[in-house]
Amino acid sequence: AQKVTQAQTEISVVEKEDVTLDCVYETRDTTYYLFWYKQPPSGELVFLIRRNSFDEQNEISGRYSWNFQKSTSSFNFTITASQVVDSAVYFCALSESIKAAGNKLTFGGGTRVLVKP
Amino acid sequence: KAGVTQTPRYLIKTRGQQVTLSCSPISGHRSVSWYQQTPGQGLQFLFEYFSETQRNKGNFPGRFSGRQFSNSRSEMNVSTLELGDSALYLCASSLWDRAPYEQYFGPGTRLTVT
Repeated sequence: AQKVTQAQTEISVVEKEDVTLDCVYETRDTTYYLFWYKQPPSGELVFLIRRNSFDEQNEISGRYSWNFQKSTSSFNFTITASQVVDSAVYFCALSESIKAAGNKLTFGGGTRVLVKP
Repeated sequence: KAGVTQTPRYLIKTRGQQVTLSCSPISGHRSVSWYQQTPGQGLQFLFEYFSETQRNKGNFPGRFSGRQFSNSRSEMNVSTLELGDSALYLCASSLWDRAPYEQYFGPGTRLTVT
């Protein structure tokens, strides 16, 4: 069975500080996909990134960066120089790459990030 | 391009009633998934539809059902509502029918059962 764990339930930082969100996953599949979503107070989940299990390259997109380490089953997310607009709940999610599994996402519990001015 | 739309946005129902929620996917998207979000259980997968067929189902009782129409619009129905069904119901659409591609979520329908 798949499982995603986000050990940090809430992180509070002051603007311009960096913040790293941890994500640890469990799966028996050799092929799988990992995602990060942002949920602002409005409630809509916003897609941030998708990574497949064969691509361990780290990725940077503006102030966001992701560190995928298959050896430790982790897919961590860092916000550099945080801004108040980054305040949201962030979810890590996992999906199997089996045809029958379709598009089922297993989500972690989420990490609430509060960026104070 | 319009995003995923869900109607209604807010709903208040009484225990024992039934409710139908609607989801219109992004144009061209053929896969529609539904998720329930509660403070206690977090985000949980309900089911996914592709080409009018339920392709996958989560661990929810039979009171939760859904369907998809030929235009890819989807509805989910909850019968005999319970207090524990109070939640944010999120719909997501995805482009292809194979490997998990990014799902785009709607704003959700917040259901309150009294």
